[in-house]
Amino acid sequence: ETGVTQTPRHLVMGMTNKKSLKCEQHLGHNAMYWYKQSAKKPLELMFVYNFKEQTENNSVPSRFSPECPNSSHLFLHLHTLQPEDSALYLCASSQAGRGAGVNTQYFGPGTRLTVL
Amino acid sequence: QKEVEQNSGPLSVPEGAIASLNCTYSDRGSQSFFWYRQYSGKSPELIMSIYSNGDKEDGRFTAQLNKASQYVSLLIRDSQPSDSATYLCALGREYGNKLVFGAGTILRVKS
Repeated sequence: ETGVTQTPRHLVMGMTNKKSLKCEQHLGHNAMYWYKQSAKKPLELMFVYNFKEQTENNSVPSRFSPECPNSSHLFLHLHTLQPEDSALYLCASSQAGRGAGVNTQYFGPGTRLTVL
Repeated sequence: QKEVEQNSGPLSVPEGAIASLNCTYSDRGSQSFFWYRQYSGKSPELIMSIYSNGDKEDGRFTAQLNKASQYVSLLIRDSQPSDSATYLCALGREYGNKLVFGAGTILRVKS
């Protein structure tokens, strides 16, 4: 595997289900991100992790719960979602630190989530 | 004022022409600038990064940065139908690794 991978690629779930999205980066990075992209809307940053520590939560509802067990893996646990949560969920990774170019982000292919 | 402004388009150009995509930003502390391409239903793909004033060329793509005027642009020479996509402008600051994205410009290259 190379780059950033995400599983599953497609997910359909009911509002009472619990599911998890998985992201893995093979780039040796130490910062990881979750983004949400709804139809015809801009990217919305959800969470940022640096060296496994959450450094940003962009006012995301508690029905989305991130987990970062190490610098290579990132999860997004989902429970009691709403239909408006249907979107493309993107994971990205980058180096963490100062300097130009350090924050270049590389995206995974995304998980297309549909909430019924 | 949005931090990153892009014309939503669509920008339509004929095949073989130069496509010019523009982005303005408000934060003078921005240090890193990126262009991503996103095909419909796919994830953003990094095209170019630029950090210093002036031009940076990579194949058919040229990024231009003017920090005094707070704009960054992307020129695509010899545009191809396969260049039809949404182009996202993003910027980063010296401290912290968060990127701020614009809403994107839709480019359509007509054959």
